[in-house]
Amino acid sequence: DTAVSQTPKYLVTQMGNDKSIKCEQNLGHDTMYWYKQDSKKFLKIMFSYNNKELIINETVPNRFSPKSPDKAHLNLHINSLELGDSAVYFCASSPGSRENNEQFFGPGTRLTVL
Amino acid sequence: AQSVTQLGSHVSVSEGALVLLRCNYSSSVPPYLFWYVQYPNQGLQLLLKYTTGATLVKGINGFEAEFKKSETSFHLTKPSAHMSDAAEYFCAVTLDTGRRALTFGSGTRLQVQP
Repeated sequence: DTAVSQTPKYLVTQMGNDKSIKCEQNLGHDTMYWYKQDSKKFLKIMFSYNNKELIINETVPNRFSPKSPDKAHLNLHINSLELGDSAVYFCASSPGSRENNEQFFGPGTRLTVL
Repeated sequence: AQSVTQLGSHVSVSEGALVLLRCNYSSSVPPYLFWYVQYPNQGLQLLLKYTTGATLVKGINGFEAEFKKSETSFHLTKPSAHMSDAAEYFCAVTLDTGRRALTFGSGTRLQVQP
């Protein structure tokens, strides 16, 4: 059973398009995250949700909009895609408590904008 | 704000040799520290973590790390490298402030020579 899953695994699209990436976790965790990994492998937090409530929103263009329909899902919608959006996007989840904040990562979605 | 510095973007060792990957952190409050491994085209897998208690922590695949507050370090070691250890390694920190996103270092690529 996959703990944190993402779809699609690969996404190739043209500039200006709108696309979504879906994330689901079956771990019963309260907190979910989106991270972006650039071409130099650098990982940076984009968003974090706790029980469907947005708790972290880093300096991300407002073309990126996370949506959490329930605490097991956190989707990422991107409008008007740009070349610089090409990256690998990782979803993660954690119990979200001080005592246990280990994060479990999905396999990633490689987005290529042409 | 917290930050993580990984010294050496590339480390090459011979099979059977000691592995040492360096990580220094900066934090205004006691940190939680993590090491993750990323194999090619895969997500991140937790190797080990330090939260509180014993400063020498053991992880999977024979890796261990020691939290040294006086040196603000959390270096990762393995006594004997195996070919299968070749991967990208990330040190990460999060703070016990309710903000639970991880701040990652820039990563170290480990190569293991036969």
